[in-house]
Amino acid sequence: EVQLLESGGGLVQPGGSLRLSCATSGFTLSTYAMSWVRQAPGKGLEWVSGINYVGSNTFYADSVKGRFTISRDTSKNTLYLQMTSLRAEDTAVYYCARDLGSNYQISFLDYWGQGTLVTVSS
Amino acid sequence: DIQMTQSPSSVSASVGDRVTITCRASQNIRSWLAWYQQKPGTAPKLLIYAASSLQSGVPSRFSGSGSGTDFTLTISSLQPEDFATYYCQQANSFRLTFGGGTKVEIK
Repeated sequence: EVQLLESGGGLVQPGGSLRLSCATSGFTLSTYAMSWVRQAPGKGLEWVSGINYVGSNTFYADSVKGRFTISRDTSKNTLYLQMTSLRAEDTAVYYCARDLGSNYQISFLDYWGQGTLVTVSS
Repeated sequence: DIQMTQSPSSVSASVGDRVTITCRASQNIRSWLAWYQQKPGTAPKLLIYAASSLQSGVPSRFSGSGSGTDFTLTISSLQPEDFATYYCQQANSFRLTFGGGTKVEIK
């Protein structure tokens, strides 16, 4: 059974940093592209970042480029999102999500975690 | 980035109604489109991918159509469990983008 479990969210001051983790199981992380998607309170979905299945290419939304870094550790079956220079507008539930097809590009997201809440406030 | 525009932003419907939601891309995305359903407090669920392919386990009352810039999600006969918010998402670019969402409410 495919499972994704995010952790690492919490309250952080503006300008601070936080690292989110997404522990995966039930599939081989090294053969799937992965993404982070966030949802601000009462708002819609916003794709934040993705990493291709090879792990060689990463992609970011303009809103986080230069501040967030996506990475993975296939030996730990874990996806990460390092967030720095956090702003109030980064407040959201952050979901990790797996791509539909193995050995393929970032495309459609078929499995999602339950989300972890990040609150940026002084 | 490719912009995705959904309409309407909300729709009121009754059980048994046929509901249609549209999504327009700011440029040609071929068939690189997905539809998701999200209920309050839960993660989104993939319904349709590649514009018209039904995800495994999704009821056949859901269908998708379109290509290029204009796409449609249709619920043929609305069921009580279908009241939710629906999002389209493009995957023509590796930088994915979502539409703003359509809330399907009980009439």
